[in-house]
Formats: sequence, C-alpha cells, structure tokens
Amino acid sequence: GAGVSQSPSNKVTEKGKDVELRCDPISGHTALYWYRQSLGQGLEFLIYFQGNSAPDKSGLPSDRFSAERTGGSVSTLTIQRTQQEDSAVYLCASSRMVGRGGYGYTFGSGTRLTVV
Amino acid sequence: DAKTTQPNSMESNEEEPVHLPCNHSTISGTDYIHWYRQLPSQGPEYVIHGLTSNVNNRMASLAIAEDRKSSTLILHRATLRDAAVYYCILGGGSQGNLIFGKGTKLSVKP
Repeated sequence: GAGVSQSPSNKVTEKGKDVELRCDPISGHTALYWYRQSLGQGLEFLIYFQGNSAPDKSGLPSDRFSAERTGGSVSTLTIQRTQQEDSAVYLCASSRMVGRGGYGYTFGSGTRLTVV
Repeated sequence: DAKTTQPNSMESNEEEPVHLPCNHSTISGTDYIHWYRQLPSQGPEYVIHGLTSNVNNRMASLAIAEDRKSSTLILHRATLRDAAVYYCILGGGSQGNLIFGKGTKLSVKP
C-alpha cells in the first residue's frame, strides 16, 4: 500500500484481557518496527524485524508482550493480560533496510490502546 | 547507544527561518543523522537524513558540521503547520532501530 496501515485505530479493553494490534508495512520494506508512546512521553522502542532474521526483542517491557511477522510482511503485536500501564499509542514503522542507517522510516498512525 | 542533545523547546515567528540544533559528540563513523517530527496526535514523520554532506529536500535542509559532532535542521520559512516536536536521532552502525529522545518542541507564532 501507499503507507503503513495499523488496525484498529482505537482499542478499549478490560484489564486482564489479551489484545492484538496489527501492522501492514509498505510493500517491499524489509524492516518493521514497533514503538509505543505513553501520553505526553517520547517514543519507546519495543521490537524490530529484518527480513527472515530473528527479531530484536530487546525493548519489550515484559513477557506479556510478543510480536510476530508472517511472511516478512504483516506484523501482529500481542499483549497478554493487559494492565492499565499498557495504555498508550502503539506505533508501527517500516523501512527498506535495517542496520545501515541510510533509510528513513515511515510510521503508521498508531493504535490507541486504553486499558480500563 | 549514540546520544543526541537538543533544546527542550524553541519558538519561531511565522515565515521566518528556524534553525534547530542537535549535538551528537559521540557519533560513530557509520551513524547517519536522522530528523523526524511529530505533529500533535500523529505518528512521527520523516523529515531528512544525512551522513556527511549537507542535504536539502522539499521539507528542510540539514547542515552537518565538518567534525559531524553537531547538526542543524533548517526550516527556511516556518508555517503554523510546522509546530511539532522535532527529533534528532543517530541511526546505523550495529544498531538497526532508531532510539528517539525527547526532541525539541517548536512553537510557531503568527
């Protein structure tokens, strides 16, 4: 597609429920990134994928968070047993390549997650 | 991680040039200098990036110091729509992901 697509745009869930957030990157972009941004805060890196390589999960805040990327394209971020502190905007980005630094990221509009 | 230092906030008048500074004294030889901006209630937007030479695009210019320890993002004529948080980030080398700092919040006055 023309841009990075994220769904849903808004999600309200009850504490303790699991949620899945989806990201469709730009076609042909081999690298995909997840960040989250709490209200009034900066972006916090979560995880990135590069092609078929093992993802860098170093930013995931706990084992309740996981992500997968199927077929080198669509990615799903799953949060199990959601807590109120998980409330944030979850942003996905894609780029042509990772590790070279020479390619810009394109961000989606994000999923606003509210845990009540 | 290579770190950057930016002022917390800056103000500009509409239709005047804006120079947003960034210090990155620990930059490595393979780090690119990236600039992104985030408008209110939106995801970050790519602005420009460069390695050693100055760069120009339709949005802005990037001036990189000769020793690469600092850079300046130049908006040639600020508009009200340029009001945003501007992030200066180092990317490349062995780390693939971009680490965002707090950025500079730019306010533009009419």
